[in-house]
Order: sequence, then structure tokens, then C-alpha cells
Amino acid sequence: SQTIHQWPATLVQPVGSPLSLECTVEGTSNPNLYWYRQAAGRGLQLLFYSVGIGQISSEVPQNLSASRPQDRQFILSSKKLLLSDSGFYLCAWSSQVGPSYEQYFGPGTRLTVT
Amino acid sequence: RKEVEQDPGPFNVPEGATVAFNCTYSNSASQSFFWYRQDCRKEPKLLMSVYSSGNEDGRFTAQLNRASQYISLLIRDSKLSDSATYLCVVLSGNTGKLIFGQGTTLQVKP
Repeated sequence: SQTIHQWPATLVQPVGSPLSLECTVEGTSNPNLYWYRQAAGRGLQLLFYSVGIGQISSEVPQNLSASRPQDRQFILSSKKLLLSDSGFYLCAWSSQVGPSYEQYFGPGTRLTVT
Repeated sequence: RKEVEQDPGPFNVPEGATVAFNCTYSNSASQSFFWYRQDCRKEPKLLMSVYSSGNEDGRFTAQLNRASQYISLLIRDSKLSDSATYLCVVLSGNTGKLIFGQGTTLQVKP
């Protein structure tokens, strides 16, 4: 069965510091991968998605970036965090096989920028 | 207008009650629809995919009305453990990008 991991689970970082969040998927090959952010009391916002190694699409302009160095690894980064970057960051995967577009989420990283 | 709209609630119901949530979507070309459940401070988990003919999974029934562009979720015989936020999700086009509603909060009381 497929599993998705994210770390760290929680993070407190000062404004202006760098960020690196990691997501890995097990039990599947060539998944679609996604980064979402959920701000307090708000809906999920798609930040990035990837259909393959090195292929990243950005949904919203921001000071965040994403990379996919390996098939099942997805990394979210920032060089300098802003207060507005605080939120719940969720990684998700979906299969590229078949018509299903169901997405499955990792446990998330709760980021607080101080 | 938001692409996916839900009544945020909260819906406060007693155990054993039947409760229904509606969700409307704006893009008539949307093809796939889902309900996710999100517990407090946890990740969303897929509850049901919504098929055009409607589908049932135990106490949960999902319906799709394309003409009126809404999706519904019916929960029968509510349990305390059903307390959560229910997210209505619509696939935008055929790109695999999901559009999430802001969720409807359900509180089941003893």
C-alpha cells in the first residue's frame, strides 16, 4: 500500500530564515505530487504540483519554491520566510494511471513564522 | 463567486440524527467530485468520490446534480466520531487540480 511522509511535523522559524520541508511517497511510482497550504480558518490553496522529476508548476506567485529531485520526493523551500508564510503545509499524491484524480495527503507540517 | 462554496456551519446535531451538507460549484465543465473529511489539526482524508449516479457507503450517501451544479453529502445515524470538517472538492478541468471548498463543520452531541 502507498504511504506518504512529511517532516518535520511542526516548525517555528523567525522571519527571514530559510525553509525546507520534505515529502516522500512510498509504494507507488511516478506519482503526481502537490504542495498545499492551509491558513488558519481558510481553505486549502494549491501552491505547486509536479508530474515528474524536475517538472514543477507554480500556482501562485510567492517567495516559496518547490523541487522534485527524485521520483517520490518533493521539497518545498524558501530563502526568506515572511510572517504570512505561517500555516499548515500539506503534501499530496495522486496516481497518473487511470481516470481517478483522487489525492491522498500526508500528515502535514505546521509552520509558525515569528 | 468562489469556484466551490459550502455553508461553513457549524452544524450541531444530536447523536443518531440525519444531517445533509450541500456544496455548489461554478464550473459546469467539472468532471469529478469528492468529499474529504478533516479532523482538527489533521490532514484531509478522502471520504467518498461522487459518481454521477450517486453513491452510498454505509451511513454516507453522496449525490451529484449537474443541472443545478451542486453536490450533497448525507450522513445518517450520526456518531460522535463523525464530528469533523467536511470538505467539498471539485476537479477543475482534466488537469488533476482539485479545488477545495472551505469546509462545513459538523459537531455531533451526545
